[in-house]
Amino acid sequence: NAGVTQTPKFQVLKTGQSMTLQCAQDMNHNSMYWYRQDPGMGLRLIYYSASEGTTDKGEVPNGYNVSRLNKREFSLRLESAAPSQTSVYFCASSPTRGFIEKLFFGSGTQLSVL
Amino acid sequence: RKEVEQDPGPFNVPEGATVAFNCTYSNSASQSFFWYRQDCRKEPKLLMSVYSSGNEDGRFTAQLNRASQYISLLIRDSKLSDSATYLCVVWDSGAGSYQLTFGKGTKLSVIP
Repeated sequence: NAGVTQTPKFQVLKTGQSMTLQCAQDMNHNSMYWYRQDPGMGLRLIYYSASEGTTDKGEVPNGYNVSRLNKREFSLRLESAAPSQTSVYFCASSPTRGFIEKLFFGSGTQLSVL
Repeated sequence: RKEVEQDPGPFNVPEGATVAFNCTYSNSASQSFFWYRQDCRKEPKLLMSVYSSGNEDGRFTAQLNRASQYISLLIRDSKLSDSATYLCVVWDSGAGSYQLTFGKGTKLSVIP
């Protein structure tokens, strides 16, 4: 049972390049999330998907787009990367809709934008 | 922005010591509280939920004080493997009900 799988683990981009971070969970969870973690900051929510077919903005959505492809997969896209998007990105999922009992995180993507 | 405040540490303690972390939250309507553990360069993992009556899991005890709006985590008989960053996490059921608020974390180093 893999849990939450994120790819890639590391990525270096040049300013203006685009890329998509992939996330998949095999736990049949309804809700999925994308967070970023910066030094000296708590995890901040970028976007979330409460259930298949829905997505909503979190605290820091600017510069990102998301797609809930199906119940398993939730991708995060950077259309035009900026140095301010250098961060560690975590995908997460939770089993229940409307109440966060527990988040299961992927192992993270270290992204550097030069 | 709703705030969750933690002492960043680091807390450097010898093996076998007892150590306690506190966390304060700003929204008095907050409903659920958690402690997550994050090892260096790894993903956060749920350590324990915090219940109104307090709860214990082995060497770990979590307490909630709603009147003063803080939660605590007590670790007894510290092990080297307890070295990590401990994240205080708060969930509010209002608008944006899927948003957890994470503290910045408290770093613990257990020294031989």
